[in-house]
Amino acid sequence: GAVVSQHPSWVICKSGTSVKIECRSLDFQATTMFWYRQFPKQSLMLMATSNEGSKATYEQGVEKDKFLINHASLTLSTLTVTSAHPEDSSFYICSAPPSTSGRNEQFFGPGTRLTVL
Amino acid sequence: QKEVEQNSGPLSVPEGAIASLNCTYSDRVSQSFFWYRQYSGKSPELIMSIYSNGDKEDGRFTAQLNKASQYVSLLIRDSQPSDSATYLCAVNKGFQKLVFGTGTRLLVSP
Repeated sequence: GAVVSQHPSWVICKSGTSVKIECRSLDFQATTMFWYRQFPKQSLMLMATSNEGSKATYEQGVEKDKFLINHASLTLSTLTVTSAHPEDSSFYICSAPPSTSGRNEQFFGPGTRLTVL
Repeated sequence: QKEVEQNSGPLSVPEGAIASLNCTYSDRVSQSFFWYRQYSGKSPELIMSIYSNGDKEDGRFTAQLNKASQYVSLLIRDSQPSDSATYLCAVNKGFQKLVFGTGTRLLVSP
């Protein structure tokens, strides 16, 4: 399968600070990437769709001013959690479907565990 | 009604047995269906994708799709302790977006 990386794999920050998470597709191009959040013992919840060259689209209930998404190139999307608070502590995972694949398969990055103190 | 429903489990099977995992979905227009495996603390790993009615086999895994019944299943033959994980059913809801079930936890005992 295709390879997606994320950085950092874990981060601990103080309340009120901003945290940037990078998602890269290593061996394919992705015009679209997806950002998910997973709380303990819960399933993945789609937060937003990152679109290369245009604005991200957010799912209902997700604050676009709090979760800033930038899809800078065909291989890189970033999620910035602004003014993080303890309730933002979660497992953030990105995924990408290869642009040239018509099968809608998505490959996930290894995830970033965010802990806000 | 949830868009994708799975029994949370745990489903316990002895080593060597067949594990059967089930999933139902609500949107009849869905065309793409996926099974992911997620180990504790890790991100999901794609196991199987299925797009048409019937069975699709890949090694010890068989995915089954019945669009009329809006039902997807995953069979794991010769279950191994290393198969112990949470299995997530995902349905494509259009524009490449996936909706996930809550997952079924599988425990394979030696």
